[in-house]
Amino acid sequence: GQQLNQSPQSMFIQEGEDVSMNCTSSSIFNTWLWYKQDPGEGPVLLIALYKAGELTSNGRLTAQFGITRKDSFLNISASIPSDVGIYFCAGRIARAGTASKLTFGTGTRLQVTL
Amino acid sequence: GAGVSQSPRYKVAKRGQDVALRCDPISGHVSLFWYQQALGQGPEFLTYFQNEAQLDKSGLPSDRFFAERPEGSVSTLKIQRTQQEDSAVYLCASSQPRDRGSETQYFGPGTRLLVL
Repeated sequence: GQQLNQSPQSMFIQEGEDVSMNCTSSSIFNTWLWYKQDPGEGPVLLIALYKAGELTSNGRLTAQFGITRKDSFLNISASIPSDVGIYFCAGRIARAGTASKLTFGTGTRLQVTL
Repeated sequence: GAGVSQSPRYKVAKRGQDVALRCDPISGHVSLFWYQQALGQGPEFLTYFQNEAQLDKSGLPSDRFFAERPEGSVSTLKIQRTQQEDSAVYLCASSQPRDRGSETQYFGPGTRLLVL
């Protein structure tokens, strides 16, 4: 099945550093989402974006919906050890009043060193 | 319960065995999804239910995979004659559709299937 391209695949950063990761698709989505997955758990939603060009923040996280509707990026500022995990982007063609499947990216594994 | 639960959490099967994976969605959630996550990959869509109706099964990899949700709540994903390539984490998610298409899918912890 289709998977979106995420980069980088993995990152090793020091506590306090800022992190950037992005996601690209060959097809258009009208909703972009960013999830975090911890070992042995399911993905947890971090940020949702619903409009091209939209910039949304959630605490130290900031994400943008690309104007072409084929890409998105996620920034994490001042990283802390609990930011460790795998970050996934996901695209969706959302329709009012009904649910729709997610197409996930390949994931970015984040390691934070003290 | 407060979240999506799945059972069993771990399953080891011999090649050729049938397995059944259970998902208990958040109470009242209309929509239920199954995803398959291979090692080191992102989840991939398998199938989608709205209440008891299976509206999309385009992601099921073969006719050995079958899912049901007979009463519109609990769902079971069944894999017949398991093969080694079926080894993966099987994730269930539930959601409640919103007017603007902004529903949030809440994921369970997954069932880790290993086929030997």
